[in-house]
Amino acid sequence: GQQLNQSPQSMFIQEGEDVSMNCTSSSIFNTWLWYKQDPGEGPVLLIALYKAGELTSNGRLTAQFGITRKDSFLNISASIPSDVGIYFCAGPPRYSGGGADGLTFGKGTHLIIQP
Amino acid sequence: DTEVTQTPKHLVMGMTNKKSLKCEQHMGHRAMYWYKQKAKKPPELMFVYSYEKLSINESVPSRFSPECPNSSLLNLHLHALQPEDSALYLCASSQEGGSAEAFFGQGTRLTVV
Repeated sequence: GQQLNQSPQSMFIQEGEDVSMNCTSSSIFNTWLWYKQDPGEGPVLLIALYKAGELTSNGRLTAQFGITRKDSFLNISASIPSDVGIYFCAGPPRYSGGGADGLTFGKGTHLIIQP
Repeated sequence: DTEVTQTPKHLVMGMTNKKSLKCEQHMGHRAMYWYKQKAKKPPELMFVYSYEKLSINESVPSRFSPECPNSSLLNLHLHALQPEDSALYLCASSQEGGSAEAFFGQGTRLTVV
């Protein structure tokens, strides 16, 4: 199946700093999704991207669908304590053609914020 | 209503027990999923139901048996599990036909003893 390489694995930052993380794939994706997961909870969808080059914002979060369709970036501006958690990139594991295929996830970026 | 509800939230079962996990959504989604997540790992797809029919089984052992009684409900029947099956089991749903956006429940934390 398709593999997603997500980096960095973890980030230790100060409150107020900006955060960047990215995902790359060896093959083309037609959808990129970004999720956040808090401990003991299910993943929550943050941003969905469907077009190459697309740049989408959700509050302090901004994500981009790479032009090559093999990568995506998530940026968080002015981090706050509640941003702590695990961020996952995800996408359909194969070209869905409209069907339901489930998602392949990156390994996650653990964000830790020091006050 | 964008909720996917899973019950129970926690479950401890012995290796000889039979138990079931339940999932419910009222968003009109026609695709539903089971994922398994081990600690500090990403979710891994187990099963996909599309229009109440099983469309994908990711080589899951037969001790896990999914069931979709109707378009709003998804069950996962568990029998003769092993301690290594202990994990967070996540249910998700999405629109059929082009949208990959999946909405997840809170998960069931399963411990097999």
